[in-house]
Amino acid sequence: AQSVSQHNHHVILSEAASLELGCNYSYGGTVNLFWYVQYPGQHLQLLLKYFSGDPLVKGIKGFEAEFIKSKFSFNLRKPSVQWSDTAEYFCAVNARRPGGSYIPTFGRGTSLIVHP
Amino acid sequence: KAGVTQTPRYLIKTRGQQVTLSCSPISGHRSVSWYQQTPGQGLQFLFEYFSETQRNKGNFPGRFSGRQFSNSRSEMNVSTLELGDSALYLCASSLRFGQGAQETQYFGPGTRLLVL
Repeated sequence: AQSVSQHNHHVILSEAASLELGCNYSYGGTVNLFWYVQYPGQHLQLLLKYFSGDPLVKGIKGFEAEFIKSKFSFNLRKPSVQWSDTAEYFCAVNARRPGGSYIPTFGRGTSLIVHP
Repeated sequence: KAGVTQTPRYLIKTRGQQVTLSCSPISGHRSVSWYQQTPGQGLQFLFEYFSETQRNKGNFPGRFSGRQFSNSRSEMNVSTLELGDSALYLCASSLRFGQGAQETQYFGPGTRLLVL
């Protein structure tokens, strides 16, 4: 069964620090990759996604992620975080099953706190 | 455009009862997916409906079922509730067949179910 690992459960940074959140998945077939964010009191929303092409994808609010197929990784990055980036971040993988359907699997989430 | 709405927002039930949760997708969206979120297991995919048909299913027992109506609204039913069913149930909609069509999913606020 596929799995998604987010290595950091809690991250605390000061404003202007750089951010990198790790995400690794275990599935050798076709995958679609996502990062979602949930700001305090808000709905889960898409940050960015990767399906094919350039492995470096850019999302909203200055976030980007790099897909490294050989490492089964899809790490999220932001060069300079802001207080408003305080949120829960989820990595998700949609893996294509033999029958053709896609099953989404989410990581456990990383709680990011940014100090002003 | 109104977002995904879920009703009720909070619910308390006792073991053995059944419960029905409702999800109204964004206008024009035809695909609805359901997820269960718990502190212990994180976000887990339940099933997806498109054009009133279940297209995709996660690894949940048959007590969890759903349906979709012609206006794309969806309901999820859990029968014979167990304490472990206490969770936040999230609904997400997308324009077409979401999981495999590489489309963005839009999440609702969730229904928090407590089973006593």
